[in-house]
Amino acid sequence: DTEVTQTPKHLVMGMTNKKSLKCEQHMGHRAMYWYKQKAKKPPELMFVYSYEKLSINESVPSRFSPECPNSSLLNLHLHALQPEDSALYLCASSPSRGSISDTQYFGPGTRLTVL
Amino acid sequence: AQKVTQAQTEISVVEKEDVTLDCVYETRDTTYYLFWYKQPPSGELVFLIRRNSFDEQNEISGRYSWNFQKSTSSFNFTITASQVVDSAVYFCALSIQGAQKLVFGQGTRLTINP
Repeated sequence: DTEVTQTPKHLVMGMTNKKSLKCEQHMGHRAMYWYKQKAKKPPELMFVYSYEKLSINESVPSRFSPECPNSSLLNLHLHALQPEDSALYLCASSPSRGSISDTQYFGPGTRLTVL
Repeated sequence: AQKVTQAQTEISVVEKEDVTLDCVYETRDTTYYLFWYKQPPSGELVFLIRRNSFDEQNEISGRYSWNFQKSTSSFNFTITASQVVDSAVYFCALSIQGAQKLVFGQGTRLTINP
């Protein structure tokens, strides 16, 4: 079973709102990822967690705040977003600590619209 | 620098035609992995295949086949007897030693018309 779940599927928020995206996997994977994908573009890596520790932050603005409460859960807290942050947010997980041979398995994504 | 190029932005064919999606990569590393993902309109990226740099054997899985050629730095993907359900955006990606990230190509939007 290679399932990564994400909630909510769709989210509309104002620029002053605070919201959170949630990602869950029960495959025993030890690396989890957040990606942002704009229309007609490939996914762009935002954050990587390995063994519940943040290992990569791709210079993402502080209005995006990741959290990994345990090995199965990954959250992305959103605050004071801009309209240009509207995108599909994808979560992924991979078996080990994100090594070269790891295959990343993606969730269905959250379509975020910032008004 | 690492780079993946998918020169075909969009391809449109009629059902049952064969179609090949091109992928050319650049890396100075001798150890690397290549991937193909499918992204249907629903948005989820679906893993299709992983290939390491030391294994140039071609692979076939049902109607899908992959041709890996290190001499031309290419990892092409062929769908035989295409079906409407194959309509999606397909991404080729590269993973290199020491990095925890995938380098994606720009994607090829494939439309299969009935």
